[in-house]
Amino acid sequence: AQTVTQSQPEMSVQEAETVTLSCTYDTSESDYYLFWYKQPPSRQMILVIRQEAYKQQNATENRFSVNFQKAAKSFSLKISDSQLGDAAMYFCAYPVRGSQGNLIFGKGTKLSVKP
Amino acid sequence: NAGVMQNPRHLVRRRGQEARLRCSPMKGHSHVYWYRQLPEEGLKFMVYLQKENIIDESGMPKERFSAEFPKEGPSILRIQQVVRGDSAAYFCASSPMAGSSYEQYFGPGTRLTVT
Repeated sequence: AQTVTQSQPEMSVQEAETVTLSCTYDTSESDYYLFWYKQPPSRQMILVIRQEAYKQQNATENRFSVNFQKAAKSFSLKISDSQLGDAAMYFCAYPVRGSQGNLIFGKGTKLSVKP
Repeated sequence: NAGVMQNPRHLVRRRGQEARLRCSPMKGHSHVYWYRQLPEEGLKFMVYLQKENIIDESGMPKERFSAEFPKEGPSILRIQQVVRGDSAAYFCASSPMAGSSYEQYFGPGTRLTVT
């Protein structure tokens, strides 16, 4: 079965510092997409960043970047210059093999940002 | 362009009642996904629909749950004879196309509480 593992239930970072959230997954496909979603207290799911597995270059979106290790099936999210508004649950996700885009989510990492 | 709309945002039902959750996709999107999020968990896929068709309902319980996406109007997730275990947040997402490469845009969710 396909799985997504986020091994850090909770993380904490000082404002303006950098934090890395880990995610590992298991798929036999060679071409796929990986996603990080943010869920703030409002519970709205917001796409943070997307990585295409066939691209070796790590995706970046402003202060957010990924460290994608395809062989290790690792997809970590790095948040630089952390801000108070980054405090949220972060979920790693990818599409179910053979589906029409149905996503499998990890259990999430709760990120706290200390002023 | 309005985002994905879900209503109601909060719904309280007594055990045995019916719950109807509505989702209006983004304009121009004809693909809808429903997910359920139990407390302290990630989202879990329930059903994927296109206009007038259920494409994949592999994540939906076989009893008491049904979904539709009519030609006109919102997608509806219906839960009959609710039980306490149905208490959760239900999210819908829409996409312009099906497939693993397309971003899913999430609504704000409906929090169902069964008393």
